[in-house]
Amino acid sequence: GQSLEQPSEVTAVEGAIVQINCTYQTSGFYGLSWYQQHDGGAPTFLSYNGLDGLEETGRFSSFLSRSDSYGYLLLQELQMKDSASYFCAVMGDYKLSFGAGTTVTVRA
Amino acid sequence: DSGVTQTPKHLITATGQRVTLRCSPRSGDLSVYWYQQSLDQGLQFLIQYYNGEERAKGNILERFSAQQFPDLHSELNLSSLELGDSALYFCASSVVERTYEQYFGPGTRLTVT
Repeated sequence: GQSLEQPSEVTAVEGAIVQINCTYQTSGFYGLSWYQQHDGGAPTFLSYNGLDGLEETGRFSSFLSRSDSYGYLLLQELQMKDSASYFCAVMGDYKLSFGAGTTVTVRA
Repeated sequence: DSGVTQTPKHLITATGQRVTLRCSPRSGDLSVYWYQQSLDQGLQFLIQYYNGEERAKGNILERFSAQQFPDLHSELNLSSLELGDSALYFCASSVVERTYEQYFGPGTRLTVT
């Protein structure tokens, strides 16, 4: 099976940088992905790391270390609209397993 | 808007009843996934279909069943409903059979009273 751990919540001010860590245990690892979900909305795909290293997409970056079973999502230049829940997820045996989610609150 | 549609948006029903949730995937997507999201369980994978065939099963209860039709839309049937079945049910779709990049619909909020 799969298990993922991520912090439950993070609070930061506009313009700041937030890092959301994710550690995982899984059999048959195919990569780590990140999803964003605004309150009451649908999860939206943000990024995927299949290999070690940093992937950058605009203000968001994601990192993976396969040897450490660890990854993170970096949110830069935080904006109010970034207030949402962020989920890490791993794929194994055709199933996408999600972490419990990190609620990011951005304050003015 | 992901292009995935789900109906109904909200559903309120009583314990012991049966409901059907409907999902239409994005145009061209062959794979459909169902997820349950509740406060205490997070986002849980239920079942996946690819081009009409069941591909993977997660923690889906025996009271729940699903199918994907020839036009690729999918239905999730929930029977003998219990209070604990109250949750958001999401459908997602993708072109390929196994992918980390799935497109989620707006969800159906089920309330069992």
